[in-house]
Amino acid sequence: AQTVTQSQPEMSVQEAETVTLSCTYDTSESDYYLFWYKQPPSRQMILVIRQEAYKQQNATENRFSVNFQKAAKSFSLKISDSQLGDAAMYFCAYAYSGAGSYQLTFGKGTKLSVIP
Amino acid sequence: DTGVSQNPRHKITKRGQNVTFRCDPISEHNRLYWYRQTLGQGPEFLTYFQNEAQLEKSRLLSDRFSAERPKGSFSTLEIQRTEQGDSAMYLCASSAPGTNIQYFGAGTRLSVL
Repeated sequence: AQTVTQSQPEMSVQEAETVTLSCTYDTSESDYYLFWYKQPPSRQMILVIRQEAYKQQNATENRFSVNFQKAAKSFSLKISDSQLGDAAMYFCAYAYSGAGSYQLTFGKGTKLSVIP
Repeated sequence: DTGVSQNPRHKITKRGQNVTFRCDPISEHNRLYWYRQTLGQGPEFLTYFQNEAQLEKSRLLSDRFSAERPKGSFSTLEIQRTEQGDSAMYLCASSAPGTNIQYFGAGTRLSVL
């Protein structure tokens, strides 16, 4: 079974600084997707960034980028120029390409606080 | 595109009662998912529909749980004879054909007293 581990229950960052959230996963599959989702308090989860396992290039979306290390099964999220609106729970998730559903397996999340 | 809509947002019930939640996916999204999220945990997959067909069910989905998606549009999740352990946030997500990006609703928070 696939598992996703986020070892940092809470993190904090100064506004305008950079922070990195860690995620490791375990799978025996070679073709899969990895995601970072953001869940603000009392609001719906939204996709931050997606990485396809067969692509070596790390995904980037504006201030958000990932460091994908397939051999190490590591998928960290870097947030640059942190803003107050970045404060939220961040979930790392995995989806196996061979399953027709692409059901997501989530980690326990990291609570990010942004200090003004 | 109004996003994924879930109703009600909050539900308080007494142990042993039945409850039903509704999810309206984004228009034209053929895939629909239900997840459960307990305090301090990430969401856990419950079940998946492609159009009106329920194609996958998690072992978490006990016999007291049933989900439907008539006509491939909205979906309902019913819990019969609720237990205190059913207290959680129930999340619905949908995705469009040809993509695996899931869009989530705000969830229904269930409290079983």
